[in-house]
Amino acid sequence: GQQLNQSPQSMFIQEGEDVSMNCTSSSIFNTWLWYKQDPGEGPVLLIALYKAGELTSNGRLTAQFGITRKDSFLNISASIPSDVGIYFCAGFGGAQKLVFGQGTRLTINP
Amino acid sequence: KAGVTQTPRYLIKTRGQQVTLSCSPISGHRSVSWYQQTPGQGLQFLFEYFSETQRNKGNFPGRFSGRQFSNSRSEMNVSTLELGDSALYLCASSPMVSFSGDEQYFGPGTRLTVT
Repeated sequence: GQQLNQSPQSMFIQEGEDVSMNCTSSSIFNTWLWYKQDPGEGPVLLIALYKAGELTSNGRLTAQFGITRKDSFLNISASIPSDVGIYFCAGFGGAQKLVFGQGTRLTINP
Repeated sequence: KAGVTQTPRYLIKTRGQQVTLSCSPISGHRSVSWYQQTPGQGLQFLFEYFSETQRNKGNFPGRFSGRQFSNSRSEMNVSTLELGDSALYLCASSPMVSFSGDEQYFGPGTRLTVT
């Protein structure tokens, strides 16, 4: 099935460092979303973006909807231990369904 | 308000068997979507139900089916199980049919292992 290209696949960082991950697609999406999934849980929505060029923050998280509508990035500033988990991007478009990236596994060394 | 609940949480089945998974949406939500999550394929959309009708469907074989009841609870069924069906099956509920994706709230999933 269709998937988004999400990178990096994994990140190993020190506590306090900033994190950046991105997603690209060959298709245009009307909405870009970023989720976090903890072990044994379903994905939880972090940020939703609705317009090309939009830059949105949620606490230490900042995400942008690319101008071409085919990409998005997520930044996490000053990482803390509870940021550990798997982050997914997702696009929602004309097919009226969520299409997900493969995920970025974030590991933080204290 | 209680979240999305899925039962059972864990299940082990044998190849060739069939399985039924259940999802109870958030109270007041009328749309239920199902997703399959595997290490190789990631999160893949299966189908969406609203008002007991399938509104959208992903690219899965006919062995995967679902239904929704009048109280919005949903079940999905997989017949003639294959080893590749081992996955985390996630259910997400939303108040209405999804228009932007941000209205969906995910349950904890059912971990299905096929041996």
